[in-house]
Amino acid sequence: SQKIEQNSEALNIQEGKTATLTCNYTNYSPAYLQWYRQDPGRGPVFLLLIRENEKEKRKERLKVTFDTTLKQSLFHITASQPADSATYLCALPDQTGANNLFFGTGTRLTVIP
Amino acid sequence: KAGVTQTPRYLIKTRGQQVTLSCSPISGHRSVSWYQQTPGQGLQFLFEYFSETQRNKGNFPGRFSGRQFSNSRSEMNVSTLELGDSALYLCASSPETGTGGLAKNIQYFGAGTRLSVL
Repeated sequence: SQKIEQNSEALNIQEGKTATLTCNYTNYSPAYLQWYRQDPGRGPVFLLLIRENEKEKRKERLKVTFDTTLKQSLFHITASQPADSATYLCALPDQTGANNLFFGTGTRLTVIP
Repeated sequence: KAGVTQTPRYLIKTRGQQVTLSCSPISGHRSVSWYQQTPGQGLQFLFEYFSETQRNKGNFPGRFSGRQFSNSRSEMNVSTLELGDSALYLCASSPETGTGGLAKNIQYFGAGTRLSVL
């Protein structure tokens, strides 16, 4: 069965630095991968989608890479700010082809002022 | 457009009771999915409804059920509640089509219903 691992449960970084979060997956070759942000007490919010034929995707201070050989995605936040503190989730499409997503357990990022 | 609305936000029930949660998707979205989120298991897919039909189902017992109405609003029901059912229940809706065909797989989540079973 498909499996997603996000490298660390929690990550603390200093304001202004670049945060790098890792998402590894096994037993699957997804057509795309998504990243979501979740704040306490709220539902996840979609950030970025990257297709299997795209190496990199950017949106403002966010950058996502997708290495289908390594079966890994990296999520970067440059010039991080305290407001970036949240849990970040990577998600893959269900390998059965269904419309639902299969989520990692998330990495809780804290940006220290 | 209004976002996904879930009611109620908080619920406290006792073991053995049943509960019904409600979800109103974004206008125009016909796909509604339900997820359970717990600290130990993370986000787990329960089921998806599209045009009033259950299209997909996750690996949960039959005590968990749902339905979708003609206006795309959805409800999920949990019968014979167990302590382990305490969780944040999230509803998400998806557009039917979108740019490049993949936008339909983007999930727009509500704020969730926090269920506590005592």
